[in-house]
Formats: sequence, structure tokens, C-alpha cells
Amino acid sequence: EPEVTQTPSHQVTQMGQEVILRCVPISNHLYFYWYRQILGQKVEFLVSFYNNEISEKSEIFDDQFSVERPDGSNFTLKIRSTKLEDSAMYFCASIWGGWNYEQYFGPGTRLTVT
Amino acid sequence: SQQGEEDPQALSIQEGENATMNCSYKTSINNLQWYRQNSGRGLVHLILIRSNEREKHSGRLRVTLDTSKKSSSLLITASRAADTASYFCATAFPIQGAQKLVFGQGTRLTINP
Repeated sequence: EPEVTQTPSHQVTQMGQEVILRCVPISNHLYFYWYRQILGQKVEFLVSFYNNEISEKSEIFDDQFSVERPDGSNFTLKIRSTKLEDSAMYFCASIWGGWNYEQYFGPGTRLTVT
Repeated sequence: SQQGEEDPQALSIQEGENATMNCSYKTSINNLQWYRQNSGRGLVHLILIRSNEREKHSGRLRVTLDTSKKSSSLLITASRAADTASYFCATAFPIQGAQKLVFGQGTRLTINP
């Protein structure tokens, strides 16, 4: 069964460093998302991406964040200058259609900022 | 707020018993999706129920949706130790032709052998 994959599974970085989290969505899916979950808290929407552009972003997704689909398979989240509060599990998700379809999540990347 | 909220926050039952988790939300939705998360792991999709549906089944899972009360429930029948996990409801809202999910805090389910 097709699945969303994410790399790395765990990333440790120092405050102020740039990180890139990578995702390979399900191949025929059209909409892509990033969510995050701070330890012990809710899963929060960060950004949605369709047709090579951001379709919506949350208040969390400030200028330090960017997303890119550099080729036909990868979908990346970049955090330009990490802060301690960026430590969280980051989930990539994809969906085939826009409305009323299941959103499938990857296994997550645990980001630890020290 | 668009949030879904689960109830109870934690549930502990004996293996073989049924587990019921509830979710309430505040605004109109496209659909509602239930996910399972084992400790520190990814989100596994369980069931999607659309706003015009009232009940769906998948194996030992039964989901109901009452749009007039803005609530949903997830029933796991004949629970097993492997069902121990956190369960989240996520309400889907339209955005630019697609949807975003708003998650609740989750119910932490423990199945005791």
C-alpha cells in the first residue's frame, strides 16, 4: 500500500541553524501539508501546498518557514533559523483530492533544537 | 474556535471490553477523520466520515456523526492490548479548494490484559 515517507526520523540541531525536513508524498496525490506536534500537545496545521504554491498557512508558519516541491516527488519544509520552541514532531501529509478525502500522514520527523 | 475536543482525555479498560471515545466541534465541517497514534509515532488514519453520513464501520471500529449536535463517537469493540494508543478526531475545513485538519487533544486509551 502506498505511504507517505519522511526523512530523517530524528534531527538534532543547534539553535540558529537551518534544517530541511523531507517528505515523499503518495505519488498520485495533489495536495500536500505540514503539521507539527509539540510534545504533549495537539497536532497543529502549518501549511498546505497545491499546484506549486502555498494555498494556506497558519500563524505559526512565519518567515522562518518555507516549503518547496523541488521535483516531482519530494516535498520539503525548511526552517531557516531554528529556535528552541521549534522542537516538535513534524508530520507531512498528502491527499488525492481537495474535498472529502482521507489525509494520509507520514511517520514524522522529531526535531530537537538545543 | 474550530477545534475538536475529545472526551474522555484518558480511558482505561480491560481487554475484550468496548471503548467509546467522543469528539465535539464547533463549526460546520466537510468531514471528520479519526486517527490513532502510538506513543511518539506517526498518525494512522482510521476512518473518514462525511458530513452527510451518520455511521461508518471498519472492522471493529464504528464511527457515528451527529451534525446537529456537532459531535462524533468512535467505538472500538472487543478491545485488544494492541489498541492501546492515543486516538484523535480531526475536523476538516475547506481551504482554497482543499481541506485542512484541526485536531483535538486526543483520548489516551489503555487496554489492560
